[in-house]
Amino acid sequence: EPEVTQTPSHQVTQMGQEVILRCVPISNHLYFYWYRQILGQKVEFLVSFYNNEISEKSEIFDDQFSVERPDGSNFTLKIRSTKLEDSAMYFCASSEWAPYSNQPQHFGDGTRLSIL
Amino acid sequence: TQLLEQSPQFLSIQEGENLTVYCNSSSVFSSLQWYRQEPGEGPVLLVTVVTGGEVKKLKRLTFQFGDARKDSSLHITAAQPGDTGLYLCAGDMYSPSTNFGNEKLTFGTGTRLTIIP
Repeated sequence: EPEVTQTPSHQVTQMGQEVILRCVPISNHLYFYWYRQILGQKVEFLVSFYNNEISEKSEIFDDQFSVERPDGSNFTLKIRSTKLEDSAMYFCASSEWAPYSNQPQHFGDGTRLSIL
Repeated sequence: TQLLEQSPQFLSIQEGENLTVYCNSSSVFSSLQWYRQEPGEGPVLLVTVVTGGEVKKLKRLTFQFGDARKDSSLHITAAQPGDTGLYLCAGDMYSPSTNFGNEKLTFGTGTRLTIIP
């Protein structure tokens, strides 16, 4: 069964450094998402991406964050200058069509980001 | 503000017993999805419910969407140790202006289920 893959599984970075999290969505999917889950808290929406542009973003997704689809398969989340509070699990998800057609989102196994 | 509240937060029962997990909100959802999440892994989709009153079955798991599309339940019959895990509900909120859901999923806080052999 097709799946969303994320790399790396664990990223350790010094505070203030840039980090790029990578995702390969399911191949025929058109909508892509990033979520994060701080330890012990619920999964929170960060951003959705469609047709090479941001479709919706949350208050968490400030100017330090950016997303990109650099080629036909990868979808990346960049944090420019990491802060301690950015430590979390970051999940990538994709869906086949627009969410308003009730297509479910499929999640990767996440990248655990640890900021020192 | 907890848009999606799940109860109970923790549940530990003996193998073979039945259980129900609830997902409640004061908001209307266009659809609601149930996921199961294992430690160190991402949420794995179990089911999507779309229509008010809809019931879906997945082997021993029965999912129901409330008539008003504000709540949902997950019932497990004859629980087995393999059912142990974190169960999450997540919904896309209904937008009257578009008559559809929005794009982001709002997650509940989860129910951590432990089935004792």
